Amino acid sequence: GQQLNQSPQSMFIQEGEDVSMNCTSSSIFNTWLWYKQDPGEGPVLLIALYKAGELTSNGRLTAQFGITRKDSFLNISASIPSDVGIYFCAGPIYNNNDMRFGAGTRLTVKP
Amino acid sequence: NAGVTQTPKFRVLKTGQSMTLLCAQDMNHEYMYWYRQDPGMGLRLIHYSVGEGTTAKGEVPDGYNVSRLKKQNFLLGLESAAPSQTSVYFCASSWDSAYEQYFGPGTRLTVT
Repeated sequence: GQQLNQSPQSMFIQEGEDVSMNCTSSSIFNTWLWYKQDPGEGPVLLIALYKAGELTSNGRLTAQFGITRKDSFLNISASIPSDVGIYFCAGPIYNNNDMRFGAGTRLTVKP
Repeated sequence: NAGVTQTPKFRVLKTGQSMTLLCAQDMNHEYMYWYRQDPGMGLRLIHYSVGEGTTAKGEVPDGYNVSRLKKQNFLLGLESAAPSQTSVYFCASSWDSAYEQYFGPGTRLTVT
């Protein structure tokens, strides 16, 4: 099936540092979504990207839809302790109703 | 406005037992989804529904059945539970596309 490969698997950073993570696929996606999951909760949408080359920001978060449509990047600037969690990329395949998720990037922020 | 709720929050089953997980949403969403999440893995789509009375298979449908008799509810059934179905199950709903999904808090299921 379709695979979304996320890297890195985990990150340990100091508060105030910037963070970059990415998601790649061997197949083309028409939409890229970035979710964050806090412990014991369901994922929450952070940013949605719908167009190749699109760069979208949401506060300290910035995400880009790769030109090849096979990758996407998420950057977090000036990290804070509440950024801790698991970040997932996701995208719909086939008929746009079948969603695929990456394995996630686990972020730890040291105060 | 409760959003997406799931019942129960926790459940332990013995191999071969059956159970039903209930998902309810109060946002009048057409689309509803069931995922499972295993350690170190992302969410995998089990089944989904694009409207009342409709269901479709996702990435990992084997061993599960679903029903959408009412627009606000989406039920996930396990007819004969297996240890491989030990997981955290999430329900989600969305407006008119698969894009921006709202997730429930999850159900932690253990099959012994």
